[in-house]
This record gives sequence, C-alpha cells and structure tokens, in this order.
Amino acid sequence: KAGVTQTPRYLIKTRGQQVTLSCSPISGHRSVSWYQQTPGQGLQFLFEYFSETQRNKGNFPGRFSGRQFSNSRSEMNVSTLELGDSALYLCASSLAGGYYNSPLHFGNGTRLTVT
Amino acid sequence: SQQGEEDPQALSIQEGENATMNCSYKTSINNLQWYRQNSGRGLVHLILIRSNEREKHSGRLRVTLDTSKKSSSLLITASRAADTASYFCATDGGNKLVFGAGTILRVKS
Repeated sequence: KAGVTQTPRYLIKTRGQQVTLSCSPISGHRSVSWYQQTPGQGLQFLFEYFSETQRNKGNFPGRFSGRQFSNSRSEMNVSTLELGDSALYLCASSLAGGYYNSPLHFGNGTRLTVT
Repeated sequence: SQQGEEDPQALSIQEGENATMNCSYKTSINNLQWYRQNSGRGLVHLILIRSNEREKHSGRLRVTLDTSKKSSSLLITASRAADTASYFCATDGGNKLVFGAGTILRVKS
C-alpha cells in the first residue's frame, strides 16, 4: 500500500504570497490531519478533515485553511505569508482519526521557507 | 498547548544500551501513542496503548502506562545506531492528537 504523499517537498515563498500544499492519504483512509512543526513550538495541530468535513481546528489564524476532496485528498492553503509561517507542514491520515484509537500515518512533509 | 511532556529532552547512549523516555500528561486520556521521527522526515507510529492497559510490547519496545500518575514510559532495549531519532508521545486531547515536545535520542556506535 502506498504511504501518505505530500507535495511539494520544499517551497520557498516571499512574505505576502500565498501557498497551497497537497496531501494524498493512504487508500481507504478517510481522516486527514495537518500539523505545523517548528523548533520553537513543536508539533501544532492545524485541522482535521473527515469525509470532506472539517471535524476539528487548532488555534491558528484564518489565514490557514484547508479542504478535503471526495477522494480524501486534502489541501491546505496559507494566505498572506509571514516569516513565522516557515515550518515543516505534516499531513497524516488514519482510518478514523488519531484520537479514536487509530494511529496516524504521516507523510514526509512540506518544508516551507518564507523570506 | 501541549498535553504531553517528554523527559529527558535529550539522551545520548552507547549502542547496545537501553534507552528510557518518559511522558507526563495533564488530563484523562483514552489512549497514548508513541511516534519516532528521523531528521527532517515524517513521524512513524510505534505503539498505541489504551487507558485500560498497563504495559505493551512491540519487538524491542516496551511501553508502560500509569493513569494514576498520568505518565507513560518508552523503553528501547539493545539500542542500535538506527534508533537515533526524536521520540514523541501523543495523547487524545479535545478531539485531536496532541504531541509532546519530544526526546532526542542519539545512539553512538
């Protein structure tokens, strides 16, 4: 079974621009979660989608948004980029969501650098 | 905010030695999970222990859970250089999986 695929692997953007990251979950997984990882804040939960519906959202500004398609693929968008948005963005899929006794399967992330 | 806190922050051992990492959390949980992350890569799920379980094994990994103390430990026996990574505990908090800050393990060969 193919793992979770995230594209692109690396991105360099300028302050004020917007960016879209993509995630293809493991086949059959209906839950997709997004995390931001930085050296200072660690892993911070962004949001989770299940069957095209946002089920939960973390404490991030409205510049961070996401969506999930009918094939469970997910995208997240960050508008008006700030320097502090530089981070490793991780996508994870699971059958039911990590808090339902269902482990998360992570992609290798998208490394976003904002200059 | 982080639900789980790992201890120590960093650990350096010789190949063949055992490594123990601890995780403390604040609120009641349904399950606790441990993940490993190699540098710059995604996290890999290691083991999940439910709140009604006290101990679980997977290969060279042993996880214990003490819900009365709100703590868990991960033991890696006979460590190898390939075990060098960051290790995170994660707990279900508020309908999401919340990760601790992690323990950086370095195994010297």
